[in-house]
Amino acid sequence: ETGVTQTPRHLVMGMTNKKSLKCEQHLGHNAMYWYKQSAKKPLELMFVYSLEERVENNSVPSRFSPECPNSSHLFLHLHTLQPEDSALYLCASSQDGVARAGVGLFFGPGTRLTVL
Amino acid sequence: TQLLEQSPQFLSIQEGENLTVYCNSSSVFSSLQWYRQEPGEGPVLLVTVVTGGEVKKLKRLTFQFGDARKDSSLHITAAQPGDTGLYLCAGVAGANSKLTFGKGITLSVRP
Repeated sequence: ETGVTQTPRHLVMGMTNKKSLKCEQHLGHNAMYWYKQSAKKPLELMFVYSLEERVENNSVPSRFSPECPNSSHLFLHLHTLQPEDSALYLCASSQDGVARAGVGLFFGPGTRLTVL
Repeated sequence: TQLLEQSPQFLSIQEGENLTVYCNSSSVFSSLQWYRQEPGEGPVLLVTVVTGGEVKKLKRLTFQFGDARKDSSLHITAAQPGDTGLYLCAGVAGANSKLTFGKGITLSVRP
């Protein structure tokens, strides 16, 4: 595997289900991110992990719970979601934070989540 | 909050045509990035510009950062169907600032 991988690619869940999204990066980066992409909206940053520590939590509801066990893996645990949470969830990685000029994000293919 | 406005929102052109799209803001950015996202995939970084007035070329794509570092343009020469996708610009306003994304421009190039 190369780059950033995400599983599953598609997920349909009911509002009472518990599920987890998985992300793995094979680039040796030290920062990982979760973004939410909804139609007609800019990408929304949800969580940032740098050196396995959460450095940002963008007022995300507690029904989303991130976990970063090591610098290569990132999870997003989902619990009692709402239909408006349906979106494409993108994982990304970078070497150091993006505030440093010239540092770009490497995205995974995303998980298309539908909440019924 | 630094807002990035991208225009036009949608663009459908014939193969071989030239086009220019824009990314504008009232804020000054220390760096600005362009990404392309194809259906079913995540965004892929195309370029990063950091100096006001900077011009970067990537094959048929030309990126320019405005002199005041508030705006950027992307010009595509002789567009091809493979250029079809969602073009996102994203900027960093300063040290320890977040990367802010625009809503994107959906480009369709017809054969």
